[in-house]
Amino acid sequence: AQSVTQPDIHITVSEGASLELRCNYSYGATPYLFWYVQSPGQGLQLLLKYFSGDTLVQGIKGFEAEFKRSQSSFNLRKPSVHWSDAAEYFCAVGFYNQGGKLIFGQGTELSVKP
Amino acid sequence: NAGVTQTPKFRILKIGQSMTLQCAQDMNHNYMYWYRQDPGMGLKLIYYSVGAGITDKGEVPNGYNVSRSTTEDFPLRLELAAPSQTSVYFCASRPPGNDGEKLFFGSGTQLSVL
Repeated sequence: AQSVTQPDIHITVSEGASLELRCNYSYGATPYLFWYVQSPGQGLQLLLKYFSGDTLVQGIKGFEAEFKRSQSSFNLRKPSVHWSDAAEYFCAVGFYNQGGKLIFGQGTELSVKP
Repeated sequence: NAGVTQTPKFRILKIGQSMTLQCAQDMNHNYMYWYRQDPGMGLKLIYYSVGAGITDKGEVPNGYNVSRSTTEDFPLRLELAAPSQTSVYFCASRPPGNDGEKLFFGSGTQLSVL
């Protein structure tokens, strides 16, 4: 069955520290891969996405993610976290010719310490 | 453009009551989706539509119905509300194109069934 796993439910980092959020998927082929961010009381906003080509993709707000086919992973990174990055982050996968449906991971809540 | 508009923002229902969650988009998007978000569970797809007159079930359709009579509107109907339907509901849409296009989300409807 298709699935997306975000192993970390909650992460706390200090402002200015680096960040890596993990995402693993289970699927027989390479899916479309996304990271969304959700601020409290808001809908989801796309950070970045991967379809094909360069496995390191850049997104908004200084985020990047790397697709590793051998590990079925698509981890999100940021070199220096800002207090405004505190939010919930969702990894999602989509599949060709399935109506654009996305399967979401459970989410990782990020807290930022001053 | 208003984007994706959901109404109401909050609602409390009694067990057995019915209601319709409204979703409208003004971007002429073919594809529309309803997700529910439960704490620690990520987003689960309830129903989706690839165009007017076409709907299909997602991961968790039981207890819900949808219709898509126009491109703009995609209402979600709860016929006999149950406590298990307490959740935050998000409507989303995406433009035509490949299945890797990003989703545009509404700001959500918080529903409590008591």
